[in-house]
Amino acid sequence: DAGVTQSPTHLIKTRGQQVTLRCSPKSGHDTVSWYQQALGQGPQFIFQYYEEEERQRGNFPDRFSGHQFPNYSSELNVNALLLGDSALYLCASSSTGQGLDTQYFGPGTRLTVL
Amino acid sequence: QKEVEQDPGPLSVPEGAIVSLNCTYSNSAFQYFMWYRQYSRKGPELLMYTYSSGNKEDGRFTAQVDKSSKYISLFIRDSQPSDSATYLCAMTGGSYIPTFGRGTSLIVHP
Repeated sequence: DAGVTQSPTHLIKTRGQQVTLRCSPKSGHDTVSWYQQALGQGPQFIFQYYEEEERQRGNFPDRFSGHQFPNYSSELNVNALLLGDSALYLCASSSTGQGLDTQYFGPGTRLTVL
Repeated sequence: QKEVEQDPGPLSVPEGAIVSLNCTYSNSAFQYFMWYRQYSRKGPELLMYTYSSGNKEDGRFTAQVDKSSKYISLFIRDSQPSDSATYLCAMTGGSYIPTFGRGTSLIVHP
């Protein structure tokens, strides 16, 4: 079992551009959550997807959007990039109805905005 | 004031020491308390997970929750250089969406 995988590993963009990050959940998991982790900070919840719909959302602007596919994989899109969007973006997968201890994080995508 | 406060460190200890990591929080609705370990350039890995107040032990790790003081701790016994990492506390209520502290950087030197 490969666990949670994310692509790409690193990404460099310039202000104003758009970016798409991808996540494949752990086998058997149907729920995907996205987090933003700025340098020296803890992860901040962006949103969660289940059954291809956004189920919960954190305090992030509409520039952040997502999608979940029928195979449970997910994408995070960020439009009109700002310098402050530079961070490690983490994907976590879990199984609905199971405990918090079933949530697994991927290695993250490090986004640098110049 | 942030919902979850955690000293970023770094905390440097010799191998074999007992390590104490702590967080305070302000939201009384938090019921589930977690500790994650995050190595450099990796995602967080869940170490301990407790519900409400009390202690939980798993090998060299012990988690304590004091809801009356809104204070949680993680103790690491017989610390090893491989324990060097950032330790994140996290907590949540009914939403099951964790709120994280900023993490404490731990360095265990041989």
